[in-house]
Amino acid sequence: DAGITQSPRYKITETGRQVTLMCHQTWSHSYMFWYRQDLGHGLRLIYYSAAADITDKGEVPDGYVVSRSKTENFPLTLESATRSQTSVYFCATARGGGAGETQYFGPGTRLLVL
Amino acid sequence: QKEVEQNSGPLSVPEGAIASLNCTYSDRGSQSFFWYRQYSGKSPELIMSIYSNGDKEDGRFTAQLNKASQYVSLLIRDSQPSDSATYLCAVNSRTSGTYKYIFGTGTRLKVLA
Repeated sequence: DAGITQSPRYKITETGRQVTLMCHQTWSHSYMFWYRQDLGHGLRLIYYSAAADITDKGEVPDGYVVSRSKTENFPLTLESATRSQTSVYFCATARGGGAGETQYFGPGTRLLVL
Repeated sequence: QKEVEQNSGPLSVPEGAIASLNCTYSDRGSQSFFWYRQYSGKSPELIMSIYSNGDKEDGRFTAQLNKASQYVSLLIRDSQPSDSATYLCAVNSRTSGTYKYIFGTGTRLKVLA
């Protein structure tokens, strides 16, 4: 049981290209999240999803698009990559959206935009 | 913007000592508090969660919460070199009807053998 997987694990792209980062979970958790982690900023929420077909913006959504047609998948698309989107991207899941819910993180995707 | 603040460190302690990691938060309505450990190049993994004022112990780890002072801490007893990592404090705050994690930037801990 892999839990949460992310692909690709490493990606190099060029400015202006479209990039899609994949996140897949086997736990049937309702909630899924995308974060980016940068030095000096910590983890910042990009988008989250409470269930299939329900998504909402986080703290830093500009330049990103998400979809969730199936409970287990939550892809993140950079429509036109910029150098400022060079970062480590983590997908996370949680069983629910309540106050005490624990988030579980995937292994991350390191993205470099040239 | 609701904030969670941590000293970035590095906090250096000798092997066998107690490491004390601190975190303050700004949202008085926060209800849940979490400590994650993140090794270099890896993803965050949950160490402890705490919801009520006081101490919560799990093995060598103790989380302490003081809601009146808006302060949460993590103590690591008998620190080992394998504890060297960045420790992230996370606070679950309610924003626009939804609970969201707010993370601190992390404290880097170095346990010296």
